[in-house]
Amino acid sequence: DAGVTQSPTHLIKTRGQQVTLRCSPKSGHDTVSWYQQALGQGPQFIFQYYEEEERQRGNFPDRFSGHQFPNYSSELNVNALLLGDSALYLCASSSATGLNTEAFFGQGTRLTVV
Amino acid sequence: KNEVEQSPQNLTAQEGEFITINCSYSVGISALHWLQQHPGGGIVSLFMLSSGKKKHGRLIATINIQEKHSSLHITASHPRDSAVYICAVLIETSGSRLTFGEGTQLTVNP
Repeated sequence: DAGVTQSPTHLIKTRGQQVTLRCSPKSGHDTVSWYQQALGQGPQFIFQYYEEEERQRGNFPDRFSGHQFPNYSSELNVNALLLGDSALYLCASSSATGLNTEAFFGQGTRLTVV
Repeated sequence: KNEVEQSPQNLTAQEGEFITINCSYSVGISALHWLQQHPGGGIVSLFMLSSGKKKHGRLIATINIQEKHSSLHITASHPRDSAVYICAVLIETSGSRLTFGEGTQLTVNP
């Protein structure tokens, strides 16, 4: 079991560009959550996908959008990149069935906007 | 005020010392996670608990639901324990999204 895999691991983009980050959940998991972690801070919730729909959303602008595919993998898209979008983007997968199922995290994608 | 507060923010210890990291939260929760993050970013889940105490090797996690407080203890600390330790909670009304503390940077010197 490969666990949660994210790609790419590192990315450099220019202000105003668009970026797509990818996440494959752990086998058997159907829920994917995305988090943004600025340097020296705890992760902040962006949104969560389940059954190919956005189920919950944090306090992030509409420039942040996502998608979940039938195989449960997910993408995070950020448009019109700002310098402040530079951060580690973490994906976590879990199972919607069962109470308080544990979340598993990927290694993250380090995005640098210049 | 953050819903999840950790202390201390930074902790330096000598190899072999007993370490305690604290987490307090201000909301009703359904579960609490202790996570470990090494340089490079990847996060590993150490414990998920909703009551009592759990132990895994040299790590012990406790939670007191009434006092809204949890602690992570490391016995016989080792330099390889150096990492950021993060407390995260599942708030009762927020489904399965995690709310994180700011993390505690632990450095264990040989």
